[in-house]
Amino acid sequence: AQTVTQSQPEMSVQEAETVTLSCTYDTSESDYYLFWYKQPPSRQMILVIRQEAYKQQNATENRFSVNFQKAAKSFSLKISDSQLGDAAMYFCAYKPLTQGGSEKLVFGKGTKLTVNP
Amino acid sequence: DAGVIQSPRHEVTEMGQEVTLRCKPISGHNSLFWYRQTMMRGLELLIYFNNNVPIDDSGMPEDRFSAKMPNASFSTLKIQPSEPRDSAVYFCASSLWDRGGYTFGSGTRLTVV
Repeated sequence: AQTVTQSQPEMSVQEAETVTLSCTYDTSESDYYLFWYKQPPSRQMILVIRQEAYKQQNATENRFSVNFQKAAKSFSLKISDSQLGDAAMYFCAYKPLTQGGSEKLVFGKGTKLTVNP
Repeated sequence: DAGVIQSPRHEVTEMGQEVTLRCKPISGHNSLFWYRQTMMRGLELLIYFNNNVPIDDSGMPEDRFSAKMPNASFSTLKIQPSEPRDSAVYFCASSLWDRGGYTFGSGTRLTVV
């Protein structure tokens, strides 16, 4: 079974600094999606960034970027120029890209990010 | 588009009562998912539908839980009878089949006393 592990229950960063959140996953599939979701105190789950495993180029969305290491099954999220509004729970998630296969999105336990002014 | 709409936002009920949670997916999305979030267990997939048909309900905790999707624009998750351990935030999400990430609703916080 696929699993997603986030080894950092909590992280903190100073405003305007850079922080990296870690994620590893376990799968025997060769094609899949990886995601980072943000959940602020409002509890809304917001998609931050996605990566297709067949793409070697790391995904980037403004201040958010990933370091995707397929062989190591690692998918870290880097937040640059951290802002107070980045404070939230961050969830790493995995989904296989099997034609006609499961649509299940498997989540890690989350990392709580605090941004200090 | 208004996004995925869930109701109610909060629900407080007494043990033994029936609870019905509602979800309207994004128009055009053909997959719908129900998740439960607790501190202890994190985000758990309960059931998902594709084209209104239940595909995988292996996450449904027990017979007290049931879900329906009578049409492409509406789904319900029912708990009968409810128990205190069912207290959690229940999320509905929708997506286009095999097109990557989901769009989540705002969730329903259920408290069973």
